[in-house]
Amino acid sequence: TQLLEQSPQFLSIQEGENLTVYCNSSSVFSSLQWYRQEPGEGPVLLVTVVTGGEVKKLKRLTFQFGDARKDSSLHITAAQPGDTGLYLCAPRAGWDKIIFGKGTRLHILP
Amino acid sequence: EAGVAQSPRYKIIEKRQSVAFWCNPISGHATLYWYQQILGQGPKLLIQFQNNGVVDDSQLPKDRFSAERLKGVDSTLKIQPAKLEDSAVYLCASVLGAGVSSYEQYFGPGTRLTVT
Repeated sequence: TQLLEQSPQFLSIQEGENLTVYCNSSSVFSSLQWYRQEPGEGPVLLVTVVTGGEVKKLKRLTFQFGDARKDSSLHITAAQPGDTGLYLCAPRAGWDKIIFGKGTRLHILP
Repeated sequence: EAGVAQSPRYKIIEKRQSVAFWCNPISGHATLYWYQQILGQGPKLLIQFQNNGVVDDSQLPKDRFSAERLKGVDSTLKIQPAKLEDSAVYLCASVLGAGVSSYEQYFGPGTRLTVT
């Protein structure tokens, strides 16, 4: 069984602050995705990272895949209330399957 | 393009009753997934279909859960009889392709089930 940990579980910060959330595993993954889920909705894909050490930017969000492809981080610059949601790490677990972590619940205070 | 449709959005039942959820994936998506998301957790895969065939149902509690996708399009997930611990959001997702960079699951809004 692959152990997938996301930290922190909960994070509440003021608008304008920066933050980083983490996804860690003891397993090596071919690729890893980050999804964001808002209340009452299904998860929505933010990014896919494939290469060890890869960095991708999506506006104020920066995603990094660890060199060994076992971990990933998501950094948000100048957080806004619209960033509030559940951030789910989802490594590829097979040709046509992903597994989800428990997520980091982020709340941005205006 | 229409997204993944699910119904009902909410359902409240008593334990030992039966319930069914419906999902209509994005047109042309051959792969369909059902997930269970308990409050405070990430989605957990219950069953995966490729067209009308089951690819993976290893985590489906088969003594009470069943699912079908008879014509390879829409799908139904059933629970009979329901237990208190089945209270969760049931998410349906579909995928067009499985390429490394192009793989993306599109999710419906989910059905929130409360078992009392």
